[in-house]
Amino acid sequence: DQQVKQNSPSLSVQEGRISILNCDYTNSMFDYFLWYKKYPAEGPTFLISISSIKDKNEDGRFTVFLNKSAKHLSLHIVPSQPGDSAVYFCAASAAGTGANNLFFGTGTRLTVIP
Amino acid sequence: DVKVTQSSRYLVKRTGEKVFLECVQDMDHENMFWYRQDPGLGLRLIYFSYDVKMKEKGDIPEGYSVSREKKERFSLILESASTNQTSMYLCASSRGRGYYGYTFGSGTRLTVV
Repeated sequence: DQQVKQNSPSLSVQEGRISILNCDYTNSMFDYFLWYKKYPAEGPTFLISISSIKDKNEDGRFTVFLNKSAKHLSLHIVPSQPGDSAVYFCAASAAGTGANNLFFGTGTRLTVIP
Repeated sequence: DVKVTQSSRYLVKRTGEKVFLECVQDMDHENMFWYRQDPGLGLRLIYFSYDVKMKEKGDIPEGYSVSREKKERFSLILESASTNQTSMYLCASSRGRGYYGYTFGSGTRLTVV
């Protein structure tokens, strides 16, 4: 059963505009959330994270918003750049769980059109 | 700079061959993972290990085995490669809990012909 869902497999955005990537989760025990970015033929790299005690975390052009009541988080990229074209994975974790404690979504492929 | 190193970036093997994918991390991490990534299916966990000589099945362990004889090295073995095992294989490591996140290697693109 997929506990972390990214319902949009792909997204296209014009350069300079905002990209919004969405992620939903079902497990109310999740208390830490991460976004990873993956280019073709490379491994995923950590992008930004948020703890459940916050509802927003910002790092440069990247902002993650968390809505705990809706079990929803989103990644905003402003302004979008062609180099942002990649697959973005949402991941969630719960305190007190074992070694395998990061659950990934299926990814959203972002294409930023110059 | 911390690293997870996968021995091969691209690999082509024949059906029925025994295939070894090697992964080494230099961060003294306890946990190591093997995933495969396929279009539309995201990252699927094959096996993970939380200590030397310890291993646990992930979501799709069939057709695979693993070996962790040393803390820094985690090997994925395809006992008899099949064409449906053509995929991008990703190794990752983590320290203790998911709060630290996972550090991934660059991946091995395996093609089985």
